[in-house]
Amino acid sequence: SQKIEQNSEALNIQEGKTATLTCNYTNYSPAYLQWYRQDPGRGPVFLLLIRENEKEKRKERLKVTFDTTLKQSLFHITASQPADSATYLCALMTGGTSYGKLTFGQGTILTVHP
Amino acid sequence: GAVVSQHPSWVICKSGTSVKIECRSLDFQATTMFWYRQFPKQSLMLMATSNEGSKATYEQGVEKDKFLINHASLTLSTLTVTSAHPEDSSFYICSVQYRGRGNTIYFGEGSWLTVV
Repeated sequence: SQKIEQNSEALNIQEGKTATLTCNYTNYSPAYLQWYRQDPGRGPVFLLLIRENEKEKRKERLKVTFDTTLKQSLFHITASQPADSATYLCALMTGGTSYGKLTFGQGTILTVHP
Repeated sequence: GAVVSQHPSWVICKSGTSVKIECRSLDFQATTMFWYRQFPKQSLMLMATSNEGSKATYEQGVEKDKFLINHASLTLSTLTVTSAHPEDSSFYICSVQYRGRGNTIYFGEGSWLTVV
């Protein structure tokens, strides 16, 4: 069966450190993998998208890697700040007739302590 | 500013009544919108794909007669929860994919439904 797993339900780190979140999937062939931030009671906000033929993407303090052999994506926040505290969701989009439809992981709650 | 707008942000209704939630694409026309549901401490689950001018496509296990979707214009999709029950209480979120911006998907702010 198809599964998307974000390995940590919660991650606590100290301000200034790098947060690394993991997303693993099975029985999918995603065309795109995306990362979103969700604050309590709000809709998800898009952060980064990486395509199946890309290995790494960066945006400011954020970095995403995508390994289609391992079926894994890593999401890094460098120089983390308390304002980065939120739930981070990975999501797969398989493309084709499913274009635009996202399948989400369960999320990792990140808390950055001052 | 917001690209996708949802209304209402929250609603409380009595069991057995129907509730309509609107999703508007503010910046561009959208032939396709998506409706998700999120229960507390759980992730988003896709309910259906809303297609402008045609019937919505529902995911497995989602009752199409209970969750009525209407996509009558290129900027508006509505989700009506009919004969709502307490177990329908959830956070309902819509999304729109903007192909003109690198396929970025924008989500609305969500609508909290509480059925009492």
